[in-house]
Amino acid sequence: DAGVTQSPTHLIKTRGQQVTLRCSPKSGHDTVSWYQQALGQGPQFIFQYYEEEERQRGNFPDRFSGHQFPNYSSELNVNALLLGDSALYLCASSLGGQASFGQYFGPGTRLTVT
Amino acid sequence: GENVEQHPSTLSVQEGDSAVIKCTYSDSASNYFPWYKQELGKGPQLIIDIRSNVGEKKDQRIAVTLNKTAKHFSLHITETQPEDSAVYFCAVPGGSEKLVFGKGTKLTVNP
Repeated sequence: DAGVTQSPTHLIKTRGQQVTLRCSPKSGHDTVSWYQQALGQGPQFIFQYYEEEERQRGNFPDRFSGHQFPNYSSELNVNALLLGDSALYLCASSLGGQASFGQYFGPGTRLTVT
Repeated sequence: GENVEQHPSTLSVQEGDSAVIKCTYSDSASNYFPWYKQELGKGPQLIIDIRSNVGEKKDQRIAVTLNKTAKHFSLHITETQPEDSAVYFCAVPGGSEKLVFGKGTKLTVNP
């Protein structure tokens, strides 16, 4: 039973560039949530995708956008990268769009902006 | 919005001792309380969760207790082992879709 997978594992970008991160949810799950984790902090919610729609957004600017595909996989896009966007980006998989059904995290993508 | 406070931020114990981490939350309507373990270079792993209709849940050496009146819940690890060393996060739902996390507790188990 495949768990949550994310790609790439590491990424280095320059300020102003754009980046796309990818996530495949756990088998049987239909919901993907994205979180940003700065060094030494807890994960911060970016947004959630369920039924190919963004259902809830955290306190992140419009430079952060996403998409969910019919197979439930998802992409996170970040435009006009800033140094402060350097973080671990985590994808969490769940069922039915409900956090209380359990969210299972992937290994993350480490983004470094120089 | 929901606010979660987690204590202590660091905890050092001797192998075999018990460890307790506590979280307090603000929204009395919260009904789901998970705990995550994050090892270096990995994503958070859900290790145990509890719902508001239960006061305690145990899974081998790990237990979670919930006090809804006081709005706090705790993670208890007994007979700690070096492989329990990690950062532990509590979380509560912030609305139906997202989790709001505490700032984490770095647990070190000394052999």
